[in-house]
Amino acid sequence: GQQVMQIPQYQHVQEGEDFTTYCNSSTTLSNIQWYKQRPGGHPVFLIQLVKSGEVKKQKRLTFQFGEAKKNSSLHITATQTTDVGTYFCAGGSGGGADGLTFGKGTHLIIQP
Amino acid sequence: GAGVSQSPRYKVAKRGQDVALRCDPISGHVSLFWYQQALGQGPEFLTYFQNEAQLDKSGLPSDRFFAERPEGSVSTLKIQRTQQEDSAVYLCASSLNYRAYEQYFGPGTRLTVT
Repeated sequence: GQQVMQIPQYQHVQEGEDFTTYCNSSTTLSNIQWYKQRPGGHPVFLIQLVKSGEVKKQKRLTFQFGEAKKNSSLHITATQTTDVGTYFCAGGSGGGADGLTFGKGTHLIIQP
Repeated sequence: GAGVSQSPRYKVAKRGQDVALRCDPISGHVSLFWYQQALGQGPEFLTYFQNEAQLDKSGLPSDRFFAERPEGSVSTLKIQRTQQEDSAVYLCASSLNYRAYEQYFGPGTRLTVT
């Protein structure tokens, strides 16, 4: 079955440093989504990428979808304490109707 | 507006007991998903409904797990004869329709089997 690998598992950064998490799928994806989960909370949708090579930005967050639609990345510029949480990528295999395959997430820890 | 709600938020069950977890999706959302999230892991897909039809139940770990959505709105995930390995957070998510990709998650039900 489809597998989604995400690295690193944990990332410690100083406040103000940049952060990147990487996601790789064993199969070609129809779309990839990114979610953020705060400690004790539930996943909250951040963005969806559909097109090969797509790049989207949300303020300090930049999302990329690889040309082969098998990998993706999330980059945060100048991290803030509010960025703390776990970032998950989730791959969809088609149609938008299926359940997502989530990576194990990257836990972002920020030291002030 | 109201988001996805789940009840109970916490459930402690003795091994062998049956449990029922409820999900109220966002009004008008056609698609409903159940996920299981173990501590420190990502959510794992269990099952998917489009209206009242269960279109995919490939993620249900055993025949002890059963889900229904009889009127295409509220959904119930039932676990029979609970085992310790069933301990996890059970997340429900809904999506506007089959063409919409964004999933809105509820707060989850934390199930602890003792």
